[in-house]
Amino acid sequence: GQQVMQIPQYQHVQEGEDFTTYCNSSTTLSNIQWYKQRPGGHPVFLIQLVKSGEVKKQKRLTFQFGEAKKNSSLHITATQTTDVGTYFCAGTSTAGNMLTFGGGTRLMVKP
Amino acid sequence: GAGVSQSPSNKVTEKGKDVELRCDPISGHTALYWYRQSLGQGLEFLIYFQGNSAPDKSGLPSDRFSAERTGGSVSTLTIQRTQQEDSAVYLCASSLFGSGTRFQETQYFGPGTRLLVL
Repeated sequence: GQQVMQIPQYQHVQEGEDFTTYCNSSTTLSNIQWYKQRPGGHPVFLIQLVKSGEVKKQKRLTFQFGEAKKNSSLHITATQTTDVGTYFCAGTSTAGNMLTFGGGTRLMVKP
Repeated sequence: GAGVSQSPSNKVTEKGKDVELRCDPISGHTALYWYRQSLGQGLEFLIYFQGNSAPDKSGLPSDRFSAERTGGSVSTLTIQRTQQEDSAVYLCASSLFGSGTRFQETQYFGPGTRLLVL
């Protein structure tokens, strides 16, 4: 079945450093979504990427979707303590009926 | 086997009326999720049921929203006194175990109910 792997599992950074999490699917995806989950909360939608090679930016966050639509990345420039949380990618199958979340990357930021 | 089914597929209602949305998960799946998706947006988590545990209602946007899951299978999402901002597609999903890593398990989605509040 469809599997979505995310690395790293954990990342500690000093405030101001950059951070990247990578997402890889075992199958070609229709689209990929990114969510942020604060400690104790539930995933909150950040963005959706649909097109091959697509790049989208939200302030300090840059999202990329691979050319083969099987991988994606989220890059945060100059992290802040407010960036703390777990970042999940979620891939939608080409049939559109399955959404598989990656394992998440837990980001910790030291002030 | 059969996938997740939802009914009705479309619902048009007047502001102030109550609506009930139904979800039949995949047989044997212990976890059930309700999401809301507005046009062009991602999934907004609403509520989560897992086995006989107390549901996680942390995503419900107001006390007009409630959900039940009877017998560990069928679930009903009820919206009371509907408002125009409730218009969205309401999606139900189920997964096999939905344990502590529930958002990491593959979720199987139903076709959704498109709700329009006039």
